[in-house]
Amino acid sequence: GDSVTQMEGPVTLSEEAFLTINCTYTATGYPSLFWYVQYPGEGLQLLLKATKADDKGSNKGFEATYRKETTSFHLEKGSVQVSDSAVYFCALAGGSGAQKLVFGQGTRLTINP
Amino acid sequence: DVKVTQSSRYLVKRTGEKVFLECVQDMDHENMFWYRQDPGLGLRLIYFSYDVKMKEKGDIPEGYSVSREKKERFSLILESASTNQTSMYLCASSLWGELTGNTIYFGEGSWLTVV
Repeated sequence: GDSVTQMEGPVTLSEEAFLTINCTYTATGYPSLFWYVQYPGEGLQLLLKATKADDKGSNKGFEATYRKETTSFHLEKGSVQVSDSAVYFCALAGGSGAQKLVFGQGTRLTINP
Repeated sequence: DVKVTQSSRYLVKRTGEKVFLECVQDMDHENMFWYRQDPGLGLRLIYFSYDVKMKEKGDIPEGYSVSREKKERFSLILESASTNQTSMYLCASSLWGELTGNTIYFGEGSWLTVV
């Protein structure tokens, strides 16, 4: 079945550092890919998405490019802030035609001032 | 804005109790979902529903059941709660057929502790 693998956390960085959180996937068909963010004490919010190969999703300074050849969707940000501290989830949908999201295990990010 | 509301944010229940987690969405979405979130495991799908009275098992349905009598409401039921069901439960909804080009909307989650 479809699956998503994220780099293990937790990840701790200093403010203004460059961030990469790796995400790879296995899916049949042509899935859409998503990054969700969960701030402390809150539910999940969509951060960005890409629906076809070579699409780049971007939001709040974060970006990720849908790479079909490497089955990856790595999340990047050039300069992180303390307010970016959260848990980040990579997810896919539609790979097997199912109307549901398949999530990675999540990566906890802590940014120190 | 789409709103997905989970009725209880924090619950503490005893082993063997019957537990109801309620979820309501206000955007006339066909699809509704229940996930549980555990550290290191991400979100795992328990059940989903694509229409009233319709349901399908997700990846971890054991120990759970669901009810969807009205389009806007999707209930998760733990028939006999056990300590290994202590977790964060997230409800979500989406339009039918829109998932690949649209989004799922999540509630804020219900923290359930079974003692």
